[in-house]
Amino acid sequence: GAVVSQHPSWVICKSGTSVKIECRSLDFQATTMFWYRQFPKQSLMLMATSNEGSKATYEQGVEKDKFLINHASLTLSTLTVTSAHPEDSSFYICSARPSVGTDTQYFGPGTRLTVL
Amino acid sequence: GDSVTQMEGPVTLSEEAFLTINCTYTATGYPSLFWYVQYPGEGLQLLLKATKADDKGSNKGFEATYRKETTSFHLEKGSVQVSDSAVYFCALSDYRNSGNTPLVFGKGTRLSVIA
Repeated sequence: GAVVSQHPSWVICKSGTSVKIECRSLDFQATTMFWYRQFPKQSLMLMATSNEGSKATYEQGVEKDKFLINHASLTLSTLTVTSAHPEDSSFYICSARPSVGTDTQYFGPGTRLTVL
Repeated sequence: GDSVTQMEGPVTLSEEAFLTINCTYTATGYPSLFWYVQYPGEGLQLLLKATKADDKGSNKGFEATYRKETTSFHLEKGSVQVSDSAVYFCALSDYRNSGNTPLVFGKGTRLSVIA
């Protein structure tokens, strides 16, 4: 149990285009999901906290207009990188915390974004 | 605010060696503590957790004990294998303060096990 999926697992796009990444909790409901960014050989950097049915809470320094987050249901959150540029190339990881009964977060397998 | 400090890597060990990765934390509340593992090119997997003082989390031969008196949660394994090569992250969650509280991560420790 407690499986989180991400789609796509990798994506290559041209500069200026937008890319949407989906994060799904497959066998549990998640009121709260988190989006992280990870640079090579570094730890995870929290980008935003996504709450079902409300606006995401962004960390300081993260542009909310560039990284659009939508948490439309208890099992799906999406991150859209708008007008992507090469510096947005990174490994994006989501996590989800079950709505009931645990403080454990479960992580997706990550999405590698390469912007040319 | 809350923070996690873990030993800098990389750590290189021979197969069957004993592993310790140190982790200490500071927290205003009474956090739960976690170890996550990240294999190359993958997301994070929960390795083990502990939710209160003196709890011992264990999984796949790894163990860590929640030590409130020393604010530590060191990861240990008696005999490492090549397949244990990965990056290990110590983390805490002060969930009881707020359900929206994210995990606080250490910087990660890269382990390489050689045959």
